[in-house]
Amino acid sequence: SQKIEQNSEALNIQEGKTATLTCNYTNYSPAYLQWYRQDPGRGPVFLLLIRENEKEKRKERLKVTFDTTLKQSLFHITASQPADSATYLCALHTGRRALTFGSGTRLQVQP
Amino acid sequence: GAGVSQTPSNKVTEKGKYVELRCDPISGHTALYWYRQSLGQGPEFLIYFQGTGAADDSGLPNDRFFAVRPEGSVSTLKIQRTERGDSAVYLCASSLRGISTDTQYFGPGTRLTVL
Repeated sequence: SQKIEQNSEALNIQEGKTATLTCNYTNYSPAYLQWYRQDPGRGPVFLLLIRENEKEKRKERLKVTFDTTLKQSLFHITASQPADSATYLCALHTGRRALTFGSGTRLQVQP
Repeated sequence: GAGVSQTPSNKVTEKGKYVELRCDPISGHTALYWYRQSLGQGPEFLIYFQGTGAADDSGLPNDRFFAVRPEGSVSTLKIQRTERGDSAVYLCASSLRGISTDTQYFGPGTRLTVL
């Protein structure tokens, strides 16, 4: 079956460190992969989109990699801050216009 | 408006009742999406509109769920004969053109609780 897997356990890191979140997928060949941030009680907010022909994309303190051979994307937040604490969702277009989301990984940055 | 809005923010109903959830997308956005999110899970696709028509309703779980967008702007998700398993946060999103690289802008969601 088709799956998008994100680590369901919360990731706890110290302020200033780099957070790395993983998204693995099976049985898809997506042209694009997206990352979203979701805070409690709010809808997801778009962060970055990476295309299949892009190995890496950066936006300020965020970096996303996309390995279509490994079927994996890594999402990095450098110099993390307590305000980065949230749930991060990866999402794919799986043959239709709507997105298919992973279950998300909760990040907690300790001051 | 500044973003996608959804009303009500919370809805509590009894099993078997009918509910309507409303979504106001960003003005000018032609594409509108409904998702459902259960606790600890990511959003799950329900239905996608391009303009007034439902371009993809393959995510609707059964025929108790129906959605409309009569004028290509506001959309209403309708759930008949609600069941306890329908309890979730219902999210609406809109995008400018509905193509894959468009950013989807999400509303805050409606939390539906079926007692």
